[in-house]
Amino acid sequence: GNSVTQMEGPVTLSEEAFLTINCTYTATGYPSLFWYVQYPGEGLQLLLKATKADDKGSNKGFEATYRKETTSFHLEKGSVQVSDSAVYFCAPMFSGGYNKLIFGAGTRLAVHP
Amino acid sequence: DAGVIQSPRHEVTEMGQEVTLRCKPISGHDYLFWYRQTMMRGLELLIYFNNNVPIDDSGMPEDRFSAKMPNASFSTLKIQPSEPRDSAVYFCASSFWRARSYEQYFGPGTRLTVT
Repeated sequence: GNSVTQMEGPVTLSEEAFLTINCTYTATGYPSLFWYVQYPGEGLQLLLKATKADDKGSNKGFEATYRKETTSFHLEKGSVQVSDSAVYFCAPMFSGGYNKLIFGAGTRLAVHP
Repeated sequence: DAGVIQSPRHEVTEMGQEVTLRCKPISGHDYLFWYRQTMMRGLELLIYFNNNVPIDDSGMPEDRFSAKMPNASFSTLKIQPSEPRDSAVYFCASSFWRARSYEQYFGPGTRLTVT
């Protein structure tokens, strides 16, 4: 069946460090792929997306590339800031699923000065 | 646009009471979703609507939960009677087609505490 596996947290980094949060999925088709971010006390915000193989989504310095061969959509940022501290969710949208998102468990990122 | 609007933002109630959560989706969006978030279970999809019609309510935990969408600009999630295990943050989200996919936009959530 369709599912998503996300890197467990928490991830603790110093400011300006490089960030990678891994996300892999299993699917019978080719889903659209999303990353959402949730800041403390807030709802989820769409961070970036990719809709087909080799597409790269990017926003606010974050990037993720749709890798069909490895069924992955890892989130990266070259230099994190304290303000990036949040929970990050990987969420495929599987075809035929009435645009339902399947959310990963979330990865908490803490960035220290 | 104001984004997805939810009310109340916080609700504290006693076990056995009826609770009604409200949502106003973004104008022009044709899907509406209700989610529940807890530390133990993460983010769970409860029910969703397309053009005001319920499509899938398989995530609704029990008959105590019900949801309606009487028109394109309003939806409610009702819990009757409420129980302490219903304590959670409830999110409403709406979606529309943009740049080759649907995109979901979340409201700020309602934090429900049942004592």
